[in-house]
Amino acid sequence: KAGVTQTPRYLIKTRGQQVTLSCSPISGHRSVSWYQQTPGQGLQFLFEYFSETQRNKGNFPGRFSGRQFSNSRSEMNVSTLELGDSALYLCASSLAPGTQSYEQYFGPGTRLTVT
Amino acid sequence: AQSVTQLGSHVSVSEGALVLLRCNYSSSVPPYLFWYVQYPNQGLQLLLKYTTGATLVKGINGFEAEFKKSETSFHLTKPSAHMSDAAEYFCAVSFYSGNTPLVFGKGTRLSVIA
Repeated sequence: KAGVTQTPRYLIKTRGQQVTLSCSPISGHRSVSWYQQTPGQGLQFLFEYFSETQRNKGNFPGRFSGRQFSNSRSEMNVSTLELGDSALYLCASSLAPGTQSYEQYFGPGTRLTVT
Repeated sequence: AQSVTQLGSHVSVSEGALVLLRCNYSSSVPPYLFWYVQYPNQGLQLLLKYTTGATLVKGINGFEAEFKKSETSFHLTKPSAHMSDAAEYFCAVSFYSGNTPLVFGKGTRLSVIA
């Protein structure tokens, strides 16, 4: 079974631009979560989608948004990029939240550099 | 607020020595606990998890962890370190049977000395 895939793997953007990152979950997984990883702040939760609905949202500005499609694939968008948005963005998929077998599987991440 | 604390941002052990990485959490409700490992330029890989039941859980690569409710701890151990264990390790917690997002500790970088 294929793992979580994220595209692109690396991205360089300029301040003020916007960016869209994509995540394809493991087949059969319906929940997708996004995390931002930086050296200073560590791993921080961005948002979670389940069955095309946002279930949880982290403490990030409105410039960060996401969505999930009917095939469970998810995208996140960051508008008006700032230097501080440079980070590794990780996507994780799980079967569904709220089950005893709950566990998240992570993709390799998208490394975003904002110049 | 729920939180996770990993004691020691960097731990160094000799090859063949015991690995002990510490994790404490704060919560007023039963937690689900996880340990993940991250190798350079890669995503996170699940090592093991505790949800309910047996408090000593075994994971991949010879790692195990014990949930101690009275100490609010979930320390990760491995009897004998291998060079390939050098990586960053993250403890994470979720609540309400996995209905809340993972909250991660700051991570512990493990170095293994030959």
